[in-house]
Amino acid sequence: DSGVTQTPKHLITATGQRVTLRCSPRSGDLSVYWYQQSLDQGLQFLIQYYNGEERAKGNILERFSAQQFPDLHSELNLSSLELGDSALYFCASSVVGGLEETQYFGPGTRLLVL
Amino acid sequence: AQKITQTQPGMFVQEKEAVTLDCTYDTSDPSYGLFWYKQPSSGEMIFLIYQGSYDQQNATEGRYSLNFQKARKSANLVISASQLGDSAMYFCAMRHLSFGGFKTIFGAGTRLFVKA
Repeated sequence: DSGVTQTPKHLITATGQRVTLRCSPRSGDLSVYWYQQSLDQGLQFLIQYYNGEERAKGNILERFSAQQFPDLHSELNLSSLELGDSALYFCASSVVGGLEETQYFGPGTRLLVL
Repeated sequence: AQKITQTQPGMFVQEKEAVTLDCTYDTSDPSYGLFWYKQPSSGEMIFLIYQGSYDQQNATEGRYSLNFQKARKSANLVISASQLGDSAMYFCAMRHLSFGGFKTIFGAGTRLFVKA
């Protein structure tokens, strides 16, 4: 158990809908990352937050947005969902987000868009 | 542009033998970090080992070691004394500075099968 929690574990929804994925980092970690793992794109970095502020942005679509709240939990919002958004979404956390820091991954949220 | 390449889609190894999983990377940044993760069939991502670009010695963590050849831009993972529980997907990743933050890019992964 990495100490990072993600809810829900599974999500099934329809095209055009909007969903929110939630992540609680390990106790003491200030930095949260979101990743998408799909069969065709592999593992892709989406976005990083540090203590409530966006720190780095990867291949995140404009239909997707994220935020980190004062209690350090984070949410990833996916809207106007398409079939291709079906993937495993990981949240990870680390202490401050430095180059050498280990990122601890949550169990992931498996999203299926029908 | 930064890139991670894992050329072995699948590998077989006999239990108790050593195996090397290949990883090459491409970056023009002088400062970067290299990571290996394990993803069992259950889906979670497990950190294995880290190597910094300025580290002079190869990283080791228990049965895992990283064969870092900076001039060749390779960061191969060596697993010694393979166990059945090592059967999993293995990802090589590189973290680099990008516009004030650090981004991580992953290779396509290598699926390792350990035979009894």
